[in-house]
Amino acid sequence: RKEVEQDPGPFNVPEGATVAFNCTYSNSASQSFFWYRQDCRKEPKLLMSVYSSGNEDGRFTAQLNRASQYISLLIRDSKLSDSATYLCVVFSGGYNKLIFGAGTRLAVHP
Amino acid sequence: EAGVTQFPSHSVIEKGQTVTLRCDPISGHDNLYWYRRVMGKEIKFLLHFVKESKQDESGMPNNRFLAERTGGTYSTLKVQPAELEDSGVYFCASSPGTSYNEQFFGPGTRLTVL
Repeated sequence: RKEVEQDPGPFNVPEGATVAFNCTYSNSASQSFFWYRQDCRKEPKLLMSVYSSGNEDGRFTAQLNRASQYISLLIRDSKLSDSATYLCVVFSGGYNKLIFGAGTRLAVHP
Repeated sequence: EAGVTQFPSHSVIEKGQTVTLRCDPISGHDNLYWYRRVMGKEIKFLLHFVKESKQDESGMPNNRFLAERTGGTYSTLKVQPAELEDSGVYFCASSPGTSYNEQFFGPGTRLTVL
């Protein structure tokens, strides 16, 4: 079983749509959680951290459910520029490394 | 401020040859990480330096891979001899501090072994 699992997609949505991505992780001792964004042939870049209380950054909302070991990302009012691969990432504090999901591809069309 | 840089951006070599990848972290970042993404798979951790010391090399695939960070500045990752399955994108990342801080990724080196 993979340590971080994501639906690979692709999610094809029109501009203005709301889209949600989910992710599960297997290690209950994981400490920190993130969503990274990766554009085609580019490096991953931190989109936002994920907290149990939920956090919002503009059109993006992230949520963590520790009991279910589940992480989500909601994108409202999708823009063409949101097209990318979204990586669910877990930081394993004991090992001081990032563990990546395979990514969910989003394509926003006009 | 300059970000993480990697050299070369692309490398195409034949099976059995040697390749050395270089990473220059953000100035002042003690932590340096190597990750790799092979085709169709997730990005995977290879190893972690704190300054010049290897903190964790549990992700290194085998002894054909050798990473160094002499002087605690830039790092090199040598693959010798390269095999077909070593093809992929090798990312370097750096971060400051001792607890979790955002890891800043370099643009990656795309390695193709023929």
